[in-house]
Amino acid sequence: NAGVTQTPKFQVLKTGQSMTLQCAQDMNHNSMYWYRQDPGMGLRLIYYSASEGTTDKGEVPNGYNVSRLNKREFSLRLESAAPSQTSVYFCASSELTWGDREQYFGPGTRLTVT
Amino acid sequence: GENVEQHPSTLSVQEGDSAVIKCTYSDSASNYFPWYKQELGKRPQLIIDIRSNVGEKKDQRIAVTLNKTAKHFSLHITETQPEDSAVYFCASAHTGGFKTIFGAGTRLFVKA
Repeated sequence: NAGVTQTPKFQVLKTGQSMTLQCAQDMNHNSMYWYRQDPGMGLRLIYYSASEGTTDKGEVPNGYNVSRLNKREFSLRLESAAPSQTSVYFCASSELTWGDREQYFGPGTRLTVT
Repeated sequence: GENVEQHPSTLSVQEGDSAVIKCTYSDSASNYFPWYKQELGKRPQLIIDIRSNVGEKKDQRIAVTLNKTAKHFSLHITETQPEDSAVYFCASAHTGGFKTIFGAGTRLFVKA
C-alpha cells in the first residue's frame, strides 16, 4: 500500500497563477483533509471531506477550493495564488472510528508563490 | 473557537534527560488527544494517543497524561536519544466530529 500520495512535491508559482494539488489514498478511508503548515503555526485545516460527496471549510479556507473526486482522491485548487499562500501543504486521511482516529499524512507539497 | 495551546515552542535537553511538552485545549467536548512527531522534511506521524476515559498511557519511553478537569494534557519522553529530535504536535478532537485541532508544535533538540 502506498498510503497517502501527493503531487507535486515542489511548485513555484507567480502571483495570480492557478494550480491544483492532487491527493490520493489507498486505505479506503472515508475522511480526507487538507492542511497548511507554516513556521510556528502548526497544522491549520483548510478544507475537509467527511465522506465522499461532502466538503466543508476548515480554519483557513479563503483563497482555496476543493473537490472530492471519489473516495480515493481529494484535490486542492488555488485559483489566483498570492505570496501569503507560500507554505507546505499536507493532505491526510482518516477512518474516524472510535478505535482508529489516526490521521495518515501524505509527504507534503512545498509551494512558493513569488 | 476551538483552540489548542502548546508549550514550550522550543525545548533543548541533554541526551538521557527527560522532556515534557504541555498542551491546553478549549473544547469541553474533546475526548481524543493524539500526539504526532514530525522529523525534519518528513510528514507528521502518530506516536501515541489518549482517550478521555483514561488518565495516563505509556508506550516504552513515551507517556501521555490527561487532566480533563483542567483541560491539560502532556507528553513525557524519558531517557531521550538524538533520534527523538523532531517537532512534536499535540492535538484534540471529539469522536462525534471530523476535525482535529493541532497545537503550534514544539521543536525538541536532544544534544548528544
